[in-house]
Amino acid sequence: DGGITQSPKYLFRKEGQNVTLSCEQNLNHDAMYWYRQDPGQGLRLIYYSQIVNDFQKGDIAEGYSVSREKKESFPLTVTSAQKNPTAFYLCASSIEAGVTNEKLFFGSGTQLSVL
Amino acid sequence: GENVEQHPSTLSVQEGDSAVIKCTYSDSASNYFPWYKQELGKRPQLIIDIRSNVGEKKDQRIAVTLNKTAKHFSLHITETQPEDSAVYFCAYDSSYKLIFGSGTRLLVRP
Repeated sequence: DGGITQSPKYLFRKEGQNVTLSCEQNLNHDAMYWYRQDPGQGLRLIYYSQIVNDFQKGDIAEGYSVSREKKESFPLTVTSAQKNPTAFYLCASSIEAGVTNEKLFFGSGTQLSVL
Repeated sequence: GENVEQHPSTLSVQEGDSAVIKCTYSDSASNYFPWYKQELGKRPQLIIDIRSNVGEKKDQRIAVTLNKTAKHFSLHITETQPEDSAVYFCAYDSSYKLIFGSGTRLLVRP
């Protein structure tokens, strides 16, 4: 079940460092999302984008930034302002923007750890 | 605010028994309620969903029921098999995004 690719699979961040997680999809989906997964806490929305050059904050956007310069790409930057970045990060996409009653396609995730 | 409570957090059943996971949500305007399954080390995948115009939906051994008045919905798995062991997440739509529950770790004992 390809179509949405995340890289790298594992990432380590040093104190004060910004790191960027890649998410690419070839499904021609309009909407893309970033979720953070912590043990026992489910999936929490960081940012989402419904169209190129537009994105909105989710529930836990502080310390993160995104861009949507191309339809197929939605990179997430974890900045030094994010004091507890260790988590599993999942990127997802859906066919149509502004419509949530659709299947989300998830990437395989990136595990970020702090050195 | 937007919130969904999911119970239980862990569930252990004997192979062949049924499993039930329940979720309660807060947004009365929600119309879409999917369930995702995440096997160990893998990405979440949609297993079944239900829309607010129906009260129940079945797909082989899995079913979902929805009570919009009480704002809760449930996942039912019958004749459980070891390959059903995974973490299950409920979700509902709210303001152009999905809100996920905290997950239920289901263990099916052979």
